[in-house]
Amino acid sequence: QSVLTQPPSVSEAPRQRVTISCSGSSSNIGHNAVNWYQQLPGKAPKLLIYYDDLLPSGVSDRFSGSKSGTSASLAISGLQSEDEADYYCATWDDRLNGPVFGGGTKLTVL
Amino acid sequence: QITLKESGPTLVKPTQTLTLTCTFSGFSLSTSGVGVGWIRQPPGKALEWLALIYWDDDKRYSPSLKSRLTITKDTSKNQVVLTMTNMDPVDTATYYCAHLSSGWYGNWFDPWGQGTLVTVSS
Repeated sequence: QSVLTQPPSVSEAPRQRVTISCSGSSSNIGHNAVNWYQQLPGKAPKLLIYYDDLLPSGVSDRFSGSKSGTSASLAISGLQSEDEADYYCATWDDRLNGPVFGGGTKLTVL
Repeated sequence: QITLKESGPTLVKPTQTLTLTCTFSGFSLSTSGVGVGWIRQPPGKALEWLALIYWDDDKRYSPSLKSRLTITKDTSKNQVVLTMTNMDPVDTATYYCAHLSSGWYGNWFDPWGQGTLVTVSS
């Protein structure tokens, strides 16, 4: 049971836009920055978004992040087949005194 | 360019102690704000944070595994070592180490090592 709640799967057609939600609480998302990681099949996770909505160098601007209260979202526009991956939200939890991850969301590009 | 690589046994027996080494380059673990973390992922399941060590030797552990984990660093060798005692088949997972950056508002893992699959079986 993950501390952060994500939908297990989402799907959308190519060139469309999809959002992935991440729900937490006041001890984690409500008080700390949210990060998003992309994990392509068989690969290590890769940082996609940090500080709620900042893109690391080299990450496509088709990816965007947002946060409101105790929830965060990852949006991917102009979907491409290579976006098929597992996406994880993460943040710090003040009560657990360490990082926490969501359960992951599998994105399928139809 | 920052790189990290995990090394250790691929197979351990139940009740044994697992020792994993993360060897990194491109940064110093004596630089303020820097840390190294361990995260694992059972086959087909989600990521689970295990332990963190900061540049100042501050250490954090997952509360659910704290009694079984020890994390140490050797700054001169650019290595971080994680030990996990009393291994069980449910500990079968890919174990990742990752560089941690800390800022005024939070911290993040980037980049990650390639991971190493550890199987627990008799």
